[in-house]
Amino acid sequence: GAGVSQSPSNKVTEKGKDVELRCDPISGHTALYWYRQSLGQGLEFLIYFQGNSAPDKSGLPSDRFSAERTGGSVSTLTIQRTQQEDSAVYLCASTLAGASSYNEQFFGPGTRLTVL
Amino acid sequence: TQLLEQSPQFLSIQEGENLTVYCNSSSVFSSLQWYRQEPGEGPVLLVTVVTGGEVKKLKRLTFQFGDARKDSSLHITAAQTGDTGLYLCAGEVQSNYQLIWGAGTKLIIKP
Repeated sequence: GAGVSQSPSNKVTEKGKDVELRCDPISGHTALYWYRQSLGQGLEFLIYFQGNSAPDKSGLPSDRFSAERTGGSVSTLTIQRTQQEDSAVYLCASTLAGASSYNEQFFGPGTRLTVL
Repeated sequence: TQLLEQSPQFLSIQEGENLTVYCNSSSVFSSLQWYRQEPGEGPVLLVTVVTGGEVKKLKRLTFQFGDARKDSSLHITAAQTGDTGLYLCAGEVQSNYQLIWGAGTKLIIKP
């Protein structure tokens, strides 16, 4: 596909369960971001991957959150022991280069996570 | 802490009216981007402004970057129902890959 894809599009889980969210960036894009967006609000930065560099995890809200990017392409965001406050839309974006955001961030459609 | 304050948070107007959305900060940005997000989708870039005082037009949308590169505005002329969406501004700090995001303006254009 030409764009960023994310799966699943919707995820409903019970409090305390683990969830895994997937992002397929645009082929050739070296930088990948994960954001969290509460209903109708702005974007909260979670984590940033650029090539083979160590990721910037400074936005992860707790140690229950982790992410990895395999082979410089697909990324997974894992939330362990989910809490109700984790309910949000999780957005993934990729860019051609991470050094400057003159390069447009291309977003996926997001995963809507609901923790019951 | 760098903040980008966006106003208004919510705006509901009739088709054909004009409107302006503002983004303000005490920080200087090397560039500022405007995105539009529709329900169930990710944000899509509308424009990037780079130079202080720059004005860019995209059909009925006019974007301006403040002279000091601390603020920006989006003006829509003769709004249409298709303009409905969440408008987000995001500022780039020099040599930093992170964008500073505004909280968004939810715009509803009524027919």
